[in-house]
Order: sequence, then structure tokens, then C-alpha cells
Amino acid sequence: SAVISQKPSRDICQRGTSLTIQCQVDSQVTMMFWYRQQPGQSLTLIATANQGSEATYESGFVIDKFPISRPNLTFSTLTVSNMSPEDSSIYLCSVALGRATEAFFGQGTRLTVV
Amino acid sequence: AQSVTQLDSQVPVFEEAPVELRCNYSSSVSVYLFWYVQYPNQGLQLLLKYLSGSTLVKGINGFEAEFNKSQTSFHLRKPSVHISDTAEYFCAVSEGTGTASKLTFGTGTRLQVTL
Repeated sequence: SAVISQKPSRDICQRGTSLTIQCQVDSQVTMMFWYRQQPGQSLTLIATANQGSEATYESGFVIDKFPISRPNLTFSTLTVSNMSPEDSSIYLCSVALGRATEAFFGQGTRLTVV
Repeated sequence: AQSVTQLDSQVPVFEEAPVELRCNYSSSVSVYLFWYVQYPNQGLQLLLKYLSGSTLVKGINGFEAEFNKSQTSFHLRKPSVHISDTAEYFCAVSEGTGTASKLTFGTGTRLQVTL
């Protein structure tokens, strides 16, 4: 299994500002992902964080709005840029180990934009 | 593109009663199927997964699910629920790569267990 730590666990931010969310894993992982869970809704994949290269974004998500870094096999960051109230969501980091037959999730970052 | 349908947004049930949470998926390729549980203010925890082999999968906390390829379903069941099972349950399917790398989630079913 994998233990995933996300920081911050929650934050309240002013519109127009940016927030960087950190994801630290206790072991080296091949795949890291960022999901968004909007209030009362399911999880939507934002992007795959690729180690040493640019992230791969899903339809509807762009790098300018959600820049992602992955400097090594245990750490990644997601930045939510130029925030608006519509960005209020829970953002979750996820990893898959080895043959990737299971995905593990962090506790999430609850973001409120006012 | 894959999709996952959880027909019931909420399921109220009395403690010690059986429960079934329904999940249907659409995919033209082989898939991996998962059920996750999310307790209030917590992250997601894997309940069980179907990768291959036996279509009846047993998971944690007494839950089980049955993969039915002809009906493209993966319903979650528990013969006797407890108050502590109150949570949000998500069905998820992987892409056709055969890994858990990119998951498509259903909209979730809130299980509310009462005395």
C-alpha cells in the first residue's frame, strides 16, 4: 500500500489568488494523478503527473489553470491559479503502484474560494 | 469513452438489513472495476476490486460485489449493514489499459444506515 500526505488539508482563499497543493508519498510510485471533487459530485480526473515531463491533462483542464509539477517519484504539486468561487472543491492526489492494479488516495484538500 | 452509472443517489436502510448498491458501466474493452468508500471528511478507501477471475469479489467490512459482463454491472452488496457503514460509495472503472491508472467514477451513492 501507499501512505499519501496532502497539504494543506483545507484552505479558504480570495478570488484571483493561487494555491499550491502538495502531495507526498511514502514510497516511489510510477503513476500520480490529481482529481477534483466538486461539492456533491463525483471525482473527475484533472491530469496525470509525469515525472520529469509535462503533465497530461484531461479534456476541460489546462496547464495555465492547473500547473502541475512532479520533480521526483514521491512528490507532486498542483496549483489552482487565478481562483474563482467555481474552483471550490476537494482536490485529491492519487497514486498507483507497480502493476497499477489499485489506486490509493490522499485525504484531499478542501478548497473554498471567497 | 467509458462511463459509470450509479442509479441510486441515496439509499436509506435500517441497521442489520441487507443492502445492494447498483453500478453499471459502459465499455467496449476489458475493464478493471472498483468500489471505493468515502467517510465524512475523509479520503477514498478501496472496498474491493475486480481484475479478472472469479466474478464474485469479496472486500473489506463484509462487502462483496459481483461482476456481470453480459449486463455490464458490478453491484455492491452487504448482507447486514451497520451504522458505521454510513458513507458515500463510489463505483469506478479503469481505462482499457488494464490498470488502475485513470479511473472514471460514478456519481456516488450515499448509504444512510439508521436504527
